[in-house]
Amino acid sequence: GIQVEQSPPDLILQEGANSTLRCNFSDSVNNLQWFHQNPWGQLINLFYIPSGTKQNGRLSATTVATERYSLLYISSSQTTDSGVYFCAVFDNYGQNFVFGPGTRLSVLP
Amino acid sequence: DAGVTQSPTHLIKTRGQQVTLRCSPKSGHDTVSWYQQALGQGPQFIFQYYEEEERQRGNFPDRFSGHQFPNYSSELNVNALLLGDSALYLCASSLAWTGAYEQYFGPGTRLTVT
Repeated sequence: GIQVEQSPPDLILQEGANSTLRCNFSDSVNNLQWFHQNPWGQLINLFYIPSGTKQNGRLSATTVATERYSLLYISSSQTTDSGVYFCAVFDNYGQNFVFGPGTRLSVLP
Repeated sequence: DAGVTQSPTHLIKTRGQQVTLRCSPKSGHDTVSWYQQALGQGPQFIFQYYEEEERQRGNFPDRFSGHQFPNYSSELNVNALLLGDSALYLCASSLAWTGAYEQYFGPGTRLTVT
C-alpha cells in the first residue's frame, strides 16, 4: 500500500514565526487532505488539496502530485496553532485513507 | 449544518468485554469510515460503510465489526476487548458520489480497556 511520510516530526516555534510542514507519499493519489488535531483529539479539516495551491487566512497548502509531495505553510503562528498536523491520502489500490505519522507543532508565547 | 457526532465521549471497559460505539454523519453525507488512533500515532483505517454494507476494510481482526443504518448512521462493535484496543476511535463521513472522498471527522470516542 501507499506510504506517507511527514517532516519534521516535531517543531517548536515562537509566536509570530512562520513554518513549513512537508508530506511525501509513495504513489499517485487523487485525494489529499491536511488536518489539525487539537489537544482534545478533534481532527479539523484544513485543506482538501489533491493538486495545486490553496490559501485560507494564515494557512496555505501546495500539492505537487507529479512529484508526490505536499507542503503546508503556517504564517505568523499563534499559540492556538499548537497541536498535531496530519496529512492523509487516498490509496487508490486499497481504497482507503492512509495517514502520515504527523508533525507535532508547539507555538510558544 | 450538523457535523459528525459520536457517542459516547469516553468509555472504560474490562478486558474480554464487548463495546459499541456510535456515529452520526455530517448532514447530507452517506459514507462512514472508522479509524483507530493509538496514543502518539496517526489514525489507522478500520473499515468503511456505504449503502449499509462494508465496502473496504483495513488490517483489523474480525473482532471489529460494524453496521450502517438506513439513516446513514453507523456503529462500531469490538468483541473480546484486549488491552491493546485502548485508543481514540474516530468516525469520518463523506459523500460517495463526488468520488473525492473528502472526509470530515467527529470528536472521537476515547476507549480505555483495563
